[in-house]
Amino acid sequence: NAGVTQTPKFQVLKTGQSMTLQCAQDMNHEYMSWYRQDPGMGLRLIHYSVGAGITDQGEVPNGYNVSRSTTEDFPLRLLSAAPSQTSVYFCASSYSWDRGNEQFFGPGTRLTVL
Amino acid sequence: AQSVTQPDIHITVSEGASLELRCNYSYGATPYLFWYVQSPGQGLQLLLKYFSGDTLVQGIKGFEAEFKRSQSSFNLRKPSVHWSDAAEYFCAVGAMEYGNKLVFGAGTILRVKS
Repeated sequence: NAGVTQTPKFQVLKTGQSMTLQCAQDMNHEYMSWYRQDPGMGLRLIHYSVGAGITDQGEVPNGYNVSRSTTEDFPLRLLSAAPSQTSVYFCASSYSWDRGNEQFFGPGTRLTVL
Repeated sequence: AQSVTQPDIHITVSEGASLELRCNYSYGATPYLFWYVQSPGQGLQLLLKYFSGDTLVQGIKGFEAEFKRSQSSFNLRKPSVHWSDAAEYFCAVGAMEYGNKLVFGAGTILRVKS
């Protein structure tokens, strides 16, 4: 199993550009989520999904869209990038929505918005 | 709302010395608690978790943590630190009504000196 994979590893955007961060898992996990990591702030939840076709907002959803058309994939879209979205983005998945299922994290995407 | 405080941004210990990383949480009901480790340039790996029962939990890599309800704490310990333990450590809290959504602390960077 590859686990949770994310592409690209690094990305530089100009303000106003759009892009999609890809996330895929091959563990047949129901629950997937996106976090952003900023220095001194830990990880903050952006969006999450409890299954194909079901998504919801986390703590910091503004400026991001998600969809979940398949169990395996959970892309994160930046509609119009802003410097405040410079961050490291992590995708995670777990077997189910149930509390406490271990979340497996991808290696992250480092995004810089100029 | 849930919150997690990791009071120490950086900690430096000598190889072979004992380690304690502090974590305090704020939540009214019984939380469930996690410690994750992040090596440079990597995703997060679960060290251990607490749901209920025995308040002293054992994890991987020789780590343990103790849940103290009266102090709202979940400190991570290791009796003898190895150079490979140098990493960033995150405490996270969840609650039953929030499913698998987690709130993370800001992290503690551990440096190990030889």
